[in-house]
Amino acid sequence: AQKVTQAQTEISVVEKEDVTLDCVYETRDTTYYLFWYKQPPSGELVFLIRRNSFDEQNEISGRYSWNFQKSTSSFNFTITASQVVDSAVYFCALPRGTGGFKTIFGAGTRLFVKA
Amino acid sequence: AAGVIQSPRHLIKEKRETATLKCYPIPRHDTVYWYQQGPGQDPQFLISFYEKMQSDKGSIPDRFSAQQFSDYHSELNMSSLELGDSALYFCASSVRARWYGYTFGSGTRLTVV
Repeated sequence: AQKVTQAQTEISVVEKEDVTLDCVYETRDTTYYLFWYKQPPSGELVFLIRRNSFDEQNEISGRYSWNFQKSTSSFNFTITASQVVDSAVYFCALPRGTGGFKTIFGAGTRLFVKA
Repeated sequence: AAGVIQSPRHLIKEKRETATLKCYPIPRHDTVYWYQQGPGQDPQFLISFYEKMQSDKGSIPDRFSAQQFSDYHSELNMSSLELGDSALYFCASSVRARWYGYTFGSGTRLTVV
């Protein structure tokens, strides 16, 4: 079965704190992709990152970094020095099957960053 | 760069009415996907089309239908609307061979009253 679990429903931090959003996935595919999306209060889904299963290198983009570990089936997302504009719901997602026509989303983690 | 265009952005309908949502994919994208996101929920896959043919189907109610036209735009038709259909409806598009690169539109917020 394909499944994405984001155990943290809501996280609240104070500006400038670092915060890590957890994502654990299950898949039988040997080749797969994982995504993170941000959904701000305005509602649109903003693509943040895509990672394929062959690439376990961690990635850093500005204040964002991702830690992909196949051994633990985790793809965690860290925001360094959080800002109020980071307040949003963050979804981890797993396209299903080699065609990827269906994407399985985690339940999302709502991040509140207080000034 | 061109993005996925959805129209309208907001739609208010009464129960039992019909609604049509439109999606214009990124140019040269041949695959379109529809997702429904209820309040406080994660997006759920509804249906996808590749080269104007339905390619996959998710939890789409029988009251809903969709199609992809010759210009690759897609329309989601919803009839006999119910209060529970109130949601954000997202469309995404991709080139099938690079499905992992698909991009979502900004969504249509449907409110059924």
